[in-house]
Amino acid sequence: TQLLEQSPQFLSIQEGENLTVYCNSSSVFSSLQWYRQEPGEGPVLLVTVVTGGEVKKLKRLTFQFGDARKDSSLHITAAQPGDTGLYLCAGPISGGYQKVTFGTGTKLQVIP
Amino acid sequence: DAGVIQSPRHEVTEMGQEVTLRCKPISGHNSLFWYRQTMMRGLELLIYFNNNVPIDDSGMPEDRFSAKMPNASFSTLKIQPSEPRDSAVYFCASSFGQRNLYFGPGTRLTVL
Repeated sequence: TQLLEQSPQFLSIQEGENLTVYCNSSSVFSSLQWYRQEPGEGPVLLVTVVTGGEVKKLKRLTFQFGDARKDSSLHITAAQPGDTGLYLCAGPISGGYQKVTFGTGTKLQVIP
Repeated sequence: DAGVIQSPRHEVTEMGQEVTLRCKPISGHNSLFWYRQTMMRGLELLIYFNNNVPIDDSGMPEDRFSAKMPNASFSTLKIQPSEPRDSAVYFCASSFGQRNLYFGPGTRLTVL
């Protein structure tokens, strides 16, 4: 059972455009993480959000954790070709030591 | 600092053969995870170890899969016998405590 659903699945935009990626669940998470994965490499952690309503910024990327801690969003301002990759949200599953489940993923392509 | 090291990076084998994937976690990390990534199922947790002890192997597909961690600096994931549906990218990740996951570059397995 996939606990984290991401949308959209695929996104192809022009350089300079803004975009938002969503991560939704019916379950409450104590924290959520966002990773970016480039072709041929493993996922790399971008950010962890832990408090409901929390907003974190990483240069042109803005991450928000929903008030109820069931969802999160990633907003990219003025996308660059270097933002191209697979974006994954992830969260810990209860009952396991550091057992993390990953979302379905959003594949982003930024066209120069 | 060296990150998580995986070998081989690519493996092509025939159905029925034994496959062994290897992982060296980041020095000092005490948790190790094996994930599998496919287009259909995304990133799935297969098994994870804490202080070299297997904690949860509920994600291992079936008895053909086995994993070992004989010491803090080495782990293996073995598939015997391999089948075409095992074709995927296998990632090893490590962490210290309940902190962030650091992924290796993955092993792309193709079973013909």
